[in-house]
Amino acid sequence: RKEVEQDPGPFNVPEGATVAFNCTYSNSASQSFFWYRQDCRKEPKLLMSVYSSGNEDGRFTAQLNRASQYISLLIRDSKLSDSATYLCVVKESSGDKLTFGTGTRLAVRP
Amino acid sequence: NAGVTQTPKFQVLKTGQSMTLQCAQDMNHEYMSWYRQDPGMGLRLIHYSVGAGITDQGEVPNGYNVSRSTTEDFPLRLLSAAPSQTSVYFCASSSMTSANTQYFGPGTRLTVL
Repeated sequence: RKEVEQDPGPFNVPEGATVAFNCTYSNSASQSFFWYRQDCRKEPKLLMSVYSSGNEDGRFTAQLNRASQYISLLIRDSKLSDSATYLCVVKESSGDKLTFGTGTRLAVRP
Repeated sequence: NAGVTQTPKFQVLKTGQSMTLQCAQDMNHEYMSWYRQDPGMGLRLIHYSVGAGITDQGEVPNGYNVSRSTTEDFPLRLLSAAPSQTSVYFCASSSMTSANTQYFGPGTRLTVL
């Protein structure tokens, strides 16, 4: 089983739609969780951290479910510019190493 | 600040050749790392460094060497290139006080024939 698993997609949605991605992780000792965004042929960039109580940043909402070991990302009112691959990232309790999921591709159409 | 820079952007090698991928950062970050990204595999950690003079192996270190003689530079050396090393290579850096945010370079696309 992969340490971090994501549905690769692609998710094809119209502008204005709400879309949600889930990500599961295998190590129950994992401490920190993030969503990174990667545009085609570009480097990954931090989108947002995921906090235990859930957190929101504009149209983006991230949630963590420790009992079921998954995190989610909700995007409301999708824009064309949201088209990208979204990477789920998990950090263990010790050290600075990050474990990346393979990513979920989102395509927003006009 | 230029952030994290990588050179070259593209490289084609023949099997058995050696080369060095350059990475530099101007943010005075202690932590630097090298990843490779392959389709369906996600980013995998090759080597990392928590400071000048200190390096350690990641998940897939075989066939690669690194050194960290300065805080700014973290080159990745391919000793004898193999087709299995065809990939996109990303260098990243972060501050030890904010290790959650890794800043990535633009990547090097390497093809080994």
